[in-house]
Amino acid sequence: KNQVEQSPQSLIILEGKNCTLQCNYTVSPFSNLRWYKQDTGRGPVSLTIMTFSENTKSNGRYTATLDADTKQSSLHITASQLSDSASYICVVSADTNAGKSTFGDGTTLTVKP
Amino acid sequence: NAGVTQTPKFQVLKTGQSMTLQCAQDMNHEYMSWYRQDPGMGLRLIHYSVGAGITDQGEVPNGYNVSRSTTEDFPLRLLSAAPSQTSVYFCASSDRAGPTTDTQYFGPGTRLTVL
Repeated sequence: KNQVEQSPQSLIILEGKNCTLQCNYTVSPFSNLRWYKQDTGRGPVSLTIMTFSENTKSNGRYTATLDADTKQSSLHITASQLSDSASYICVVSADTNAGKSTFGDGTTLTVKP
Repeated sequence: NAGVTQTPKFQVLKTGQSMTLQCAQDMNHEYMSWYRQDPGMGLRLIHYSVGAGITDQGEVPNGYNVSRSTTEDFPLRLLSAAPSQTSVYFCASSDRAGPTTDTQYFGPGTRLTVL
């Protein structure tokens, strides 16, 4: 069964600090891995998308890494801001068909002043 | 572009009532999907469509129907609402341009409560 596991479940950091969120998956065959940010009460918004051949992708202060051999990904947030408080969701697709994506339960990040 | 729009934003139903959640996108995307998100859980796929006239079941399809008569619209119908269907519902669309651009665009969600 395809699975995506994210850790930690929740995280609290001080403004300005860095943090790293983890995503392990067992989805096969692999097509791409995406990270989304979901603010409270809103729909998820795409941060990064990586295919098998990519091992790093940046979007501003967000940097995602992918190790396709160990089936692990991480999302690193640099110099956190209060607006980074949100749920971060890892999604792995086994196909370009959107119906074959597996969602993680998300990591809830709280940035405190 | 308005992106993905959903109506209504909030809805309260009584057990046994039926209703339709509306979803529309103006990006000419072929793929559209419906998800539900329960507190503390990840999004779960209800139904999806790879193009007009084509739909398929996702992970949790029971109690829901969909149709795709146009590229733009993908309504979700609750046949006979049950308290277990209390959730936040998200519609999403994505292009079919290939794996490197398989980004899904999500709507703002519909918060449904079934009493």
